[in-house]
Order: sequence, then C-alpha cells, then structure tokens
Amino acid sequence: EAQVTQNPRYLITVTGKKLTVTCSQNMNHEYMSWYRQDPGLGLRQIYYSMNVEVTDKGDVPEGYKVSRKEKRNFPLILESPSPNQTSLYFCASSFLPGQGGLNYGYTFGSGTRLTVV
Amino acid sequence: AQSVTQLDSHVSVSEGTPVLLRCNYSSSYSPSLFWYVQHPNKGLQLLLKYTSAATLVKGINGFEAEFKKSETSFHLTKPSAHMSDAAEYFCVVSDITDKLIFGTGTRLQVFP
Repeated sequence: EAQVTQNPRYLITVTGKKLTVTCSQNMNHEYMSWYRQDPGLGLRQIYYSMNVEVTDKGDVPEGYKVSRKEKRNFPLILESPSPNQTSLYFCASSFLPGQGGLNYGYTFGSGTRLTVV
Repeated sequence: AQSVTQLDSHVSVSEGTPVLLRCNYSSSYSPSLFWYVQHPNKGLQLLLKYTSAATLVKGINGFEAEFKKSETSFHLTKPSAHMSDAAEYFCVVSDITDKLIFGTGTRLQVFP
C-alpha cells in the first residue's frame, strides 16, 4: 500500500531533550515536507526537500532540523524542544511538479502529536 | 505570493442538504489547487485537485469543486450532506516551488 509512515503517533517530552520524528514513504517521491498544525493557523511548512541531500527552509523552520540521506526517509529533529513546539506534525510527499501525471498530489502521514512540557 | 482564504471558519448544515465551503486564492501564475479533509484525530486525505485541466473537478465521496479564474475561487460543494462528512476541510494552493499553502480550515458540522 502506498503510504507515508510517521513515528511516533504521540510523544510527550520535556524541554531540552532532543527528539526525532521519523517519516518514510514508499512511493519513490522526490519531494518531502514537514508541516505543523496549530488551531486557527492551518498547516505551516517547516522544511522541505526536493531530492536526496537537498533541503530548504519553509515558513517556520526555527528550532527544527531535517536530513535527507535517502530518498524514502525525511526525519524531523528537534535538538532542544520548547513548549511552543507543542503541535501536531505532518509529513507529506509527492512527485515534483510536472512529474507523476495524474498521480501528482500529496500523500500525508497520519500525524505526530507532540507535547513539550 | 500565493495565498488562500477560506471564507468561513465554521459551516453547519442539516443532513441531506447541500454543502458549500468557500475558498478564494491569490496566485501570480496558474496554480494547482487542492481540497483536503481531516476527520477528528486523523491525517489529511485528498478530496480533489485542480491542475489546469477541466475547471470542474470531481473528487471522492460526492464532492466537487469549480475553478473560476475570473473570481479567483475554488469553492467545494456537495449536493447532499451526510453525517460522515463532518470534519475539517482545507483549501490548499501549491506555489511554484511545490510548497503547499494551506487555508486556515473550515469546520463542517452536519446535524441529523
């Protein structure tokens, strides 16, 4: 089944304790991205990657890191989490624009609900 | 820069009546537009997409949307609401770097 898999689904951590949220896709998509969802703000992009070893900042990158060492994986790293990073996080992947034809579109993971206390 | 405005934060309808969720967009070029649905405690599911083909787009679960360039709108409609349609709906535009720009969402309530 074509899917984006995020882990963990739920995470409670303490301020300053480094954590990683994993994201993996099995659709051979070039493009991967992380979003955070906060009430009244919709989803905002944190980081994105258009291919292996190519990453760039989105709208709200502060406090986050990513890496893209393999095409299928795009982990989100919080080096020193703070309470304002409490949020619902989504990973998404797609073909690049102009590729994928009728299959162009984004597939989202099920989300990771992070609480930083 | 691209942007999306969802004109209603909440919409309430009775089961069996039509649904209209409004979305206006701003784009300096011909955009790709999407509607996503998020059921409580679930991820995001693609309802439909517009990528410069037919302006009337049909999606899953009986939803459709019409791209109107002159009005810069991409409203989502369904002829007859079902209880299972209660969810949050996001209108999304894709910019030239393929970044998704989300609206702030419309929560649809369906009453029996």
